[in-house]
Amino acid sequence: LAKTTQPISMDSYEGQEVNITCSHNNIATNDYITWYQQFPSQGPRFIIQGYKTKVTNEVASLFIPADRKSSTLSLPRVSLSDTAVYYCLVASDTGGFKTIFGAGTRLFVKA
Amino acid sequence: EAQVTQNPRYLITVTGKKLTVTCSQNMNHEYMSWYRQDPGLGLRQIYYSMNVEVTDKGDVPEGYKVSRKEKRNFPLILESPSPNQTSLYFCASSLSGLAGSYNEQFFGPGTRLTVL
Repeated sequence: LAKTTQPISMDSYEGQEVNITCSHNNIATNDYITWYQQFPSQGPRFIIQGYKTKVTNEVASLFIPADRKSSTLSLPRVSLSDTAVYYCLVASDTGGFKTIFGAGTRLFVKA
Repeated sequence: EAQVTQNPRYLITVTGKKLTVTCSQNMNHEYMSWYRQDPGLGLRQIYYSMNVEVTDKGDVPEGYKVSRKEKRNFPLILESPSPNQTSLYFCASSLSGLAGSYNEQFFGPGTRLTVL
């Protein structure tokens, strides 16, 4: 399973775009990159998933370069309610459906 | 409403007293999993189940058992709880783990367990 590395924490201001980068140097061919958001005392919530290039949905964009050794979650115009922990994980069904979340990035959005 | 439910939400118990945390999903998902979350350690997978016939260990299975007799239920069993199992536990489910794809996991509300 590919290990992921993310910044421990980030600060931002309301209205700004936030980019959180995740490194996954040992990503395998079958692996997908997925990002989750977690608020205190709640279960994580799926944000976005991608395999390569760029994926965009109503809440975020995910940029994945050609070598797939890293990915960047982009949150446009953050608000105070985006203050949360963001997890990058890499998973596939190889050898079973084991999932490794990592420590995540704590994003704090200030007014 | 599509959801994953866990019970109890809060539990305080004593060392050695067997307990079960139930998890149920109503989305007809094949895959279910248990995680524990501790400060500074993120989420760590305890056990997972690909379907009713297959369960396997995650990263931290010691001291836990699971059972998958029905598709919708995946109870977590602590035969002899110890204080180091004090944690916040989450159950999750997803549609499947088909080759070449990864399905988003839906998480339950969590169970806060304290073992004295």
